[in-house]
Amino acid sequence: DAKTTQPPSMDCAEGRAANLPCNHSTISGNEYVYWYRQIHSQGPQYIIHGLKNNETNEMASLIITEDRKSSTLILPHATLRDTAVYYCIVRGPNSGGGADGLTFGKGTHLIIQP
Amino acid sequence: KAGVTQTPRYLIKTRGQQVTLSCSPISGHRSVSWYQQTPGQGLQFLFEYFSETQRNKGNFPGRFSGRQFSNSRSEMNVSTLELGDSALYLCASSLRGSYNEQFFGPGTRLTVL
Repeated sequence: DAKTTQPPSMDCAEGRAANLPCNHSTISGNEYVYWYRQIHSQGPQYIIHGLKNNETNEMASLIITEDRKSSTLILPHATLRDTAVYYCIVRGPNSGGGADGLTFGKGTHLIIQP
Repeated sequence: KAGVTQTPRYLIKTRGQQVTLSCSPISGHRSVSWYQQTPGQGLQFLFEYFSETQRNKGNFPGRFSGRQFSNSRSEMNVSTLELGDSALYLCASSLRGSYNEQFFGPGTRLTVL
């Protein structure tokens, strides 16, 4: 799996958009970008994933640059409950053989300020 | 639909003992993955089971083992416990495999004294 680089921590005011960056300069053509988050004392929660097109769901938007070397997770209207560690993970599709688990880095600790 | 459940939620053992943790995936999910989370190493992949077969294994010693039953429920076992095995053990299920969206359980907090 390609490695990712994320800032260790970020602050965001409640109600504002939280933009979390992730660098994945060694990503290969068939690797997807996944985002998970972990709220304190809970298991990680899937947020969104994408290959090259921007993606949006009820939780967030994922913007992937054209060269695919970086991406941004956007939480459009952050609330206090969005305070968590956010993990950006890059991995390839299942070829039908062995399936590696997710490789979690240190992530970004996002703190939403009231 | 019920989420991933893990039992027990908390466990205290002493060095040298063995422990078995249980995970019930979301109904219909055939893939179960196990992870260890510690403050120092973060979240690390242990192994994945799909249709009762171990598909891949992380870099952990043979003391860590697992299995999956025909109803997709999974257990992991740690033998000869060491102090460093104290961790949060997380189970995740997905429909077809770990490349798909994974749903995590609340974890089992294991303390080894």
